[in-house]
Amino acid sequence: DTAVSQTPKYLVTQMGNDKSIKCEQNLGHDTMYWYKQDSKKFLKIMFSYNNKELIINETVPNRFSPKSPDKAHLNLHINSLELGDSAVYFCASSQRYQSATDTQYFGPGTRLTVL
Amino acid sequence: AQSVTQLGSHVSVSEGALVLLRCNYSSSVPPYLFWYVQYPNQGLQLLLKYTTGATLVKGINGFEAEFKKSETSFHLTKPSAHMSDAAEYFCAVRPLYGGSQGNLIFGKGTKLSVKP
Repeated sequence: DTAVSQTPKYLVTQMGNDKSIKCEQNLGHDTMYWYKQDSKKFLKIMFSYNNKELIINETVPNRFSPKSPDKAHLNLHINSLELGDSAVYFCASSQRYQSATDTQYFGPGTRLTVL
Repeated sequence: AQSVTQLGSHVSVSEGALVLLRCNYSSSVPPYLFWYVQYPNQGLQLLLKYTTGATLVKGINGFEAEFKKSETSFHLTKPSAHMSDAAEYFCAVRPLYGGSQGNLIFGKGTKLSVKP
């Protein structure tokens, strides 16, 4: 069984469009995350979220918004896509919120290409 | 702010040779430390982590890393490289305090190539 899954795996779209990436974890974890990996493979946290608190990395444009219908899902919505949004987006989850010792489990990634 | 430095964006070794991937962190308070591996077109997989206790940590696939507080380092090693070890390796820290507590801060990654 896949612990953290993401859909779609690939997403190609035009500038200005709005798109969503879905993430689901079946580990029963309390906390989920979104990371962005740029073309140089650099990974950076975008959001961390549990059902009580959303922490946003201050460098993330407000065109990006996480939405969580329930504890097992954290979807990423992106409005007015720009060329610079092209990247691989990873979802992750961990057992407890802001627990430094817990392992984060990553999804397979979604490669977003904005034309 | 915490940061992670991985020396060498690309390391190439021969099959059977020692693998050494370097990682240094900047923090007055030692954070928790992690190594992740990313195989081509896949997500990240945890290799090993150091939180407390023994400073030499053993992970999956024969990898190990040693936390050295005096050197603020957490280098990853494997005695004998296999072709299947070719991948991107990421060192990461997790601060114990502050607003970023719980979030992983990654280094820029080191691509490991293994020659036959």
